[in-house]
Amino acid sequence: QKEVEQDPGPLSVPEGAIVSLNCTYSNSAFQYFMWYRQYSRKGPELLMYTYSSGNKEDGRFTAQVDKSSKYISLFIRDSQPSDSATYLCAMGKGGSNYKLTFGKGTLLTVNP
Amino acid sequence: SQTIHQWPATLVQPVGSPLSLECTVEGTSNPNLYWYRQAAGRGLQLLFYSVGIGQISSEVPQNLSASRPQDRQFILSSKKLLLSDSGFYLCACSTGTGHSDTQYFGPGTRLTVL
Repeated sequence: QKEVEQDPGPLSVPEGAIVSLNCTYSNSAFQYFMWYRQYSRKGPELLMYTYSSGNKEDGRFTAQVDKSSKYISLFIRDSQPSDSATYLCAMGKGGSNYKLTFGKGTLLTVNP
Repeated sequence: SQTIHQWPATLVQPVGSPLSLECTVEGTSNPNLYWYRQAAGRGLQLLFYSVGIGQISSEVPQNLSASRPQDRQFILSSKKLLLSDSGFYLCACSTGTGHSDTQYFGPGTRLTVL
């Protein structure tokens, strides 16, 4: 079983839709969680960072973590064509372990 | 906040030729630095990371090497490129403070080996 699983999609939605992106993980040592957005041929940019279970909201984006189920989600409200990108989840164990484990990414297309 | 520069942006090299990719970081000191390769459908593969000058940890055996000659400079090299070295190479940094150690990425170098 891979440490982090992420559905690669592709996911295609109409403009204005609510988008749900998800990752599951198997290692309970993961303590903090991130979502990155990567436009085609660009480097990933950090969207959201969360440490505890629960929800964190930033504008149209909400990150949700359920440590008991080892499941994280990113919700995008009122999706826009500019949200079309690949979304990567990432997880870290903290402490002296500097490395992150990434999902393979979900390709999202928002159609106008 | 930190800014990561990578060059070149794109590179086309013949098999067997050498490689040198450079990454520099602005806006922070003593960062942790990382080299990743991203191949289509394979996600981000961590190649090397460094917690200080001259300190390099290799994650996978391969045709590549890394060096950190200065605090905010990270170099990825190869003596002889293979076809399988093609990909999108990303440099990242983190500050290593607190518990988050969030990584920030540069714009990447797209390498094609022919």
